[in-house]
Amino acid sequence: GAVVSQHPSWVICKSGTSVKIECRSLDFQATTMFWYRQFPKQSLMLMATSNEGSKATYEQGVEKDKFLINHASLTLSTLTVTSAHPEDSSFYICSASRDRATWGGNGYTFGSGTRLTVV
Amino acid sequence: GEDVEQSLFLSVREGDSSVINCTYTDSSSTYLYWYKQEPGAGLQLLTYIFSNMDMKQDQRLTVLLNKKDKHLSLRIADTQTGDSAIYFCADQNQFYFGTGTSLTVIP
Repeated sequence: GAVVSQHPSWVICKSGTSVKIECRSLDFQATTMFWYRQFPKQSLMLMATSNEGSKATYEQGVEKDKFLINHASLTLSTLTVTSAHPEDSSFYICSASRDRATWGGNGYTFGSGTRLTVV
Repeated sequence: GEDVEQSLFLSVREGDSSVINCTYTDSSSTYLYWYKQEPGAGLQLLTYIFSNMDMKQDQRLTVLLNKKDKHLSLRIADTQTGDSAIYFCADQNQFYFGTGTSLTVIP
């Protein structure tokens, strides 16, 4: 089956530093990956759509200079939280689909998430 | 964007059935999905239903779809403590998730 690995699972960083989160599709190629943010006891909010070989598409209200997304290969997308502040503390989740389109019952495979705490 | 809404909390006794409800606004969705999220983990696809179906059964899970009312439900039969989690419904594009329903199973 489709497996998406997200790393690290959790990270604590000091305010002002940058943190990189990796999302890898282990057994399939993903032309598109998605990054979500989840606040405690809340739903997932789509932050951006990451397209291999091109610029990411950000949702309204998401600062592209703050949340840098790179999708350099068909199996890896990275999210870098730059100059992190305590308000960036959250649970970040990526997802990927083996299919270019969203048709079918495959759905998307989600990474296990990254808990970011900025102190 | 689409609005996908769910009730926030549900508490049931072990062995009873659980019914989690979801309403959505985008009538063009061809597939609707149910995901399960355990504490501190990512999302696990549980099941899905194609929009031309009214019902789909998958072991202990039954999905009902009322397309006219744009209402989706997930029934879990013989609920177990391991079913305690947050359940999200999502539309075909899976860009928009429901608010999530936190299911607590009481032993």
